[in-house]
Amino acid sequence: GQNIDQPTEMTATEGAIVQINCTYQTSGFNGLFWYQQHAGEAPTFLSYNVLDGLEEKGRFSSFLSRSKGYSYLLLKELQMKDSASYLCAVRDLASGAGSYQLTFGKGTKLSVIP
Amino acid sequence: NAGVTQTPKFQVLKTGQSMTLQCAQDMNHEYMSWYRQDPGMGLRLIHYSVGAGITDQGEVPNGYNVSRSTTEDFPLRLLSAAPSQTSVYFCASSYRRQAGNTIYFGEGSWLTVV
Repeated sequence: GQNIDQPTEMTATEGAIVQINCTYQTSGFNGLFWYQQHAGEAPTFLSYNVLDGLEEKGRFSSFLSRSKGYSYLLLKELQMKDSASYLCAVRDLASGAGSYQLTFGKGTKLSVIP
Repeated sequence: NAGVTQTPKFQVLKTGQSMTLQCAQDMNHEYMSWYRQDPGMGLRLIHYSVGAGITDQGEVPNGYNVSRSTTEDFPLRLLSAAPSQTSVYFCASSYRRQAGNTIYFGEGSWLTVV
């Protein structure tokens, strides 16, 4: 099975930078995803990492260290609309559905304050 | 392009009633799945399918049935609703073979069992 940990809640100021961490344990790691979920809405895809290093997409970046079982999502120039839950999800080839299935962490609720 | 479509969006059931949550996708995705999302628990996989005619259980399958008679449709059946099944349900789909293939979520179905 998998164990995915991320902080429950975070608060940050508009215009600032925030880093949301995710640690995981898997036996057949095959990729890590970050999703954004606004209250009352479906999760939407933000980023994907399968190799070590940083992936940058505009204001959002995601980092992966496979040896440490660690990832973070970095949000720059925070805006009020970034207030949402951020979900870390891992694909594990050792799970029942192999390369298709994602296992999600419980999510980090980010509140952006003026 | 409709993506992943779920119905109904809201439903109230009495304990013991049965119902079906419908899910359809028009992206020719092989993989489809159902998750439930509860406060403090994150997204948990109920059932999944890797293609027409093939289904399997996820993490929390009890009390639910699925079938996959076509590539497009993946209905979730609650056989005898219980208050513990009050939750938000998300249908999701993805392609099978791409390494970075993310999963796409439907808009969610809010179910209350009284």
